[in-house]
Amino acid sequence: EAQVTQNPRYLITVTGKKLTVTCSQNMNHEYMSWYRQDPGLGLRQIYYSMNVEVTDKGDVPEGYKVSRKEKRNFPLILESPSPNQTSLYFCASSSPGLAGGPTGELFFGEGSRLTVL
Amino acid sequence: RKEVEQDPGPFNVPEGATVAFNCTYSNSASQSFFWYRQDCRKEPKLLMSVYSSGNEDGRFTAQLNRASQYISLLIRDSKLSDSATYLCVVIDQTGANNLFFGTGTRLTVIP
Repeated sequence: EAQVTQNPRYLITVTGKKLTVTCSQNMNHEYMSWYRQDPGLGLRQIYYSMNVEVTDKGDVPEGYKVSRKEKRNFPLILESPSPNQTSLYFCASSSPGLAGGPTGELFFGEGSRLTVL
Repeated sequence: RKEVEQDPGPFNVPEGATVAFNCTYSNSASQSFFWYRQDCRKEPKLLMSVYSSGNEDGRFTAQLNRASQYISLLIRDSKLSDSATYLCVVIDQTGANNLFFGTGTRLTVIP
């Protein structure tokens, strides 16, 4: 079954305690992306990757890091989480479209709800 | 100015009603258009693409108006199960990271 898997699905942590949210896809997609979703603000892109070892900042990258060492995995790292990073996070993947970017069909993980106290 | 704008709603409609949402986009060179559906606390899922000639999938009709730079989604005979947030997505040519989401329109269908 084609899917994007995120872990953990729910996490409560404290300010400053490093955490990693993993994302894995089994569709051999080149393009992967992380979004956060907050009430009234919609989906905002954090980082994206167009292929292995190719990552770039989205609209709200501050406080986050990513890596793309393998095609299937795209972990999101919060080195020192702060309460303003409390949010619902989605990982998504897509086969390549225009200029290597995503096609219109993004496959999303189920989301990771993070609370930073 | 945002790339893509939607009326956030909420739209509260009775079962059986017809409801329409619009989504405007700012880049006249935008190439591709889509509607996604997101249920509460779930991930967004592709509902349908929007073709230049308009397209229909059962009770759902999507249309594109390039002159006025908007796309629309029409839902006929609304069901309770249509209650969700509908997100429009626009892809343009300005760069490789070229997919933009609207903030979504919340629909609640009332019995």
